[in-house]
Amino acid sequence: ETGVTQTPRHLVMGMTNKKSLKCEQHLGHNAMYWYKQSAKKPLELMFVYSLEERVENNSVPSRFSPECPNSSHLFLHLHTLQPEDSALYLCASSQDRGLEAFFGQGTRLTVV
Amino acid sequence: SQQGEEDPQALSIQEGENATMNCSYKTSINNLQWYRQNSGRGLVHLILIRSNEREKHSGRLRVTLDTSKKSSSLLITASRAADTASYFCATENNQGGKLIFGQGTELSVKP
Repeated sequence: ETGVTQTPRHLVMGMTNKKSLKCEQHLGHNAMYWYKQSAKKPLELMFVYSLEERVENNSVPSRFSPECPNSSHLFLHLHTLQPEDSALYLCASSQDRGLEAFFGQGTRLTVV
Repeated sequence: SQQGEEDPQALSIQEGENATMNCSYKTSINNLQWYRQNSGRGLVHLILIRSNEREKHSGRLRVTLDTSKKSSSLLITASRAADTASYFCATENNQGGKLIFGQGTELSVKP
């Protein structure tokens, strides 16, 4: 148990669906991240939030929309995804950017 | 672009042996971190070494950092079957605190 909780753990969605991934941390951390992990590829940093402000958007397609309503919660809203978006989506938090990151267990997303 | 690159990509050893994994990176860093991931699960932080440190220990883990060669190594001594996992290095560069991960080394420890 790392203190970072992601829901759901598994998600299957059609290409026309809209869904949201949720991440919650009660570690008092100031930075939160979304990463994408596809088979045989390095973890890809998608978004970085620091003190609830988005500070990094790594050229992520607009069909992925992050939201950070407060320092404890981070969402990733999904719509009109493609099959190649199927992956493990990992949320992480750290006290400040670039320090030890605590990861959630991930959401295994399958787009059909 | 990818920052850290681990070597080897896969490593298979017997229980009790030592396992050494290497990581190379391209740009200047503030720190380098090693993480472990069991199949399909989240990553767990193992150790952080700062750019002004050369060696760090934590239990059976030993990490070295050579900033002149832009490389780091992770040594796991007296390995156990439970050490079977993927190991990743991640670097924090001095441009905004991004943590960039390498592709990882898959370690298999046979009992």
